[in-house]
Amino acid sequence: DAGVIQSPRHEVTEMGQEVTLRCKPISGHDYLFWYRQTMMRGLELLIYFNNNVPIDDSGMPEDRFSAKMPNASFSTLKIQPSEPRDSAVYFCASTPQVLVGADTQYFGPGTRLTVL
Amino acid sequence: AQKVTQAQTEISVVEKEDVTLDCVYETRDTTYYLFWYKQPPSGELVFLIRRNSFDEQNEISGRYSWNFQKSTSSFNFTITASQVVDSAVYFCALRGPNFGNEKLTFGTGTRLTIIP
Repeated sequence: DAGVIQSPRHEVTEMGQEVTLRCKPISGHDYLFWYRQTMMRGLELLIYFNNNVPIDDSGMPEDRFSAKMPNASFSTLKIQPSEPRDSAVYFCASTPQVLVGADTQYFGPGTRLTVL
Repeated sequence: AQKVTQAQTEISVVEKEDVTLDCVYETRDTTYYLFWYKQPPSGELVFLIRRNSFDEQNEISGRYSWNFQKSTSSFNFTITASQVVDSAVYFCALRGPNFGNEKLTFGTGTRLTIIP
């Protein structure tokens, strides 16, 4: 079975440019999570969706960040305009819904973003 | 609020030695879930184990074992006869019980280096 798929794996862009990160969750999973990993702050949850609906976006740093999930098999995280401090590894994770809520989260390979 | 503490920032051991990674957590929930993830040098996050708070049995999987003790709020991870392939950053994580508690709270990770 295919795991969580993220694209691109690496992105280098210049400050001020728009960046779009993509994620395809594991088929049948109802939850999708976006995380950011930096040396200074570790792993941070940015936003998560349940059945394509955003549930908690309190971790989104500021208005420059936006996330969408137009259908069950695709999500995007957009940064506009990008800044050097956005440089990080962005992970997407998904999990099925079980009787007591979400199950184990399975992570994609990550997108390493560098903003010059 | 939930909190996960991994006090060991870095550990180095010689191959074939046993090593224990510590994880201490804080939560007010009576039901919760604990996880360990491995992040090898390639960068992906690999799920290792999930433990429910109501199941205090220790678990063994090959060279890996986990010691869950509610009395001390700890969920420690032991690698027996370590191998170079075990070199990675290991994260402990905590999640609440039910709907609306899907967030994972991660520790800061322990970087394990196995010296050949």
